[in-house]
Amino acid sequence: GAVVSQHPSWVICKSGTSVKIECRSLDFQATTMFWYRQFPKQSLMLMATSNEGSKATYEQGVEKDKFLINHASLTLSTLTVTSAHPEDSSFYICSAWTSGENTGELFFGEGSRLTVL
Amino acid sequence: GESVGLHLPTLSVQEGDNSIINCAYSNSASDYFIWYKQESGKGPQFIIDIRSNMDKRQGQRVTVLLNKTVKHLSLQIAATQPGDSAVYFCAEKGGGTYKYIFGTGTRLKVLA
Repeated sequence: GAVVSQHPSWVICKSGTSVKIECRSLDFQATTMFWYRQFPKQSLMLMATSNEGSKATYEQGVEKDKFLINHASLTLSTLTVTSAHPEDSSFYICSAWTSGENTGELFFGEGSRLTVL
Repeated sequence: GESVGLHLPTLSVQEGDNSIINCAYSNSASDYFIWYKQESGKGPQFIIDIRSNMDKRQGQRVTVLLNKTVKHLSLQIAATQPGDSAVYFCAEKGGGTYKYIFGTGTRLKVLA
């Protein structure tokens, strides 16, 4: 299957700093990428939908100025957590959508664990 | 708002037995459903999917059943193995959109 790579897989930062997480589709082009956030023992919460070349669409309650998403190419989307605080500590997962045999297939990255001290 | 939920947060089964994980969804316009498996510290892994025009689909050791009348989805795992221990999520895709909404998740524990 298609491969989606996230980097870094884990990061620890000080409160107030910004952290960038990259999501790459390695062997296919993804016009749409999704960013999810997952708290311990909870489900994935959709944060935003990222379309190549356009502004991301954020879900209700997600601060767009806090979580900056850029989808500059068909294989790369980035999530920047600005001025991170301890409550931003979480597991961030990206996924990339590509047309497939069915209605389209969604492939997930391995996630990036952010810890803000 | 629309939501996808699960009835059981934790399911313990004996190795070799069959497992059934349930999911309820609320968006009648959803046209595509997927079951994912997530191991600790990893991203979700695709297991099996089903379109809304189907009521059953079988894979290797797994079967997904869809009951649109009651908006219910289930995942059946035959001859459950220790490697099946993980958290399982159902996800739905609304008709006409690419957004996938995840359910709460069920932790499957396989007992030796």
